[in-house]
Amino acid sequence: QKEVEQNSGPLSVPEGAIASLNCTYSDRGSQSFFWYRQYSGKSPELIMSIYSNGDKEDGRFTAQLNKASQYVSLLIRDSQPSDSATYLCAVGGTDNYGQNFVFGPGTRLSVLP
Amino acid sequence: SQTIHQWPATLVQPVGSPLSLECTVEGTSNPNLYWYRQAAGRGLQLLFYSVGIGQISSEVPQNLSASRPQDRQFILSSKKLLLSDSGFYLCACWGQETQYFGPGTRLLVL
Repeated sequence: QKEVEQNSGPLSVPEGAIASLNCTYSDRGSQSFFWYRQYSGKSPELIMSIYSNGDKEDGRFTAQLNKASQYVSLLIRDSQPSDSATYLCAVGGTDNYGQNFVFGPGTRLSVLP
Repeated sequence: SQTIHQWPATLVQPVGSPLSLECTVEGTSNPNLYWYRQAAGRGLQLLFYSVGIGQISSEVPQNLSASRPQDRQFILSSKKLLLSDSGFYLCACWGQETQYFGPGTRLLVL
């Protein structure tokens, strides 16, 4: 059974700081990794994807992947109160149809003005 | 890109009543579709997924069922709701190596 783990939080950071969200996964054969943001009462929305070891940057967001350590992280630079949400890590397998797609429980982020 | 519709948006039902939630998808054909439930303050629980018409896989045994009568339609049903069925129900569609979610249905069972 594939597992994806995240600290539930809440993670509180002051406005303008860097927020660091972490995720570990159990299946060493996992190939694709995603971060979703979910505002309270809303559905999750995809914000980042990463497939190769290293860093991937998109605006204020940086995803980091280390397959050897089975670890994925999301950094949010210059955090804003509007970044306050729950962040879900998702991990995909080698299939092309999503049957082995697993979500973590999410980390709640609170950015304090 | 696909668009996912869900209705109703909110629903309040008494215990023991039936349930029918509908999900439809536009902009893609033969999609893989998923039903998730999210209890208050909790993570996503995969309930069912479907790879085609009439093909349903259940992840968690419970009093819910799913059907896929058409290529882009996915229905979640129950004959008798329990209090524990309250939650946020999300339909998702597979595309571009990840899942995309509809707006969700918030169900409160009283």
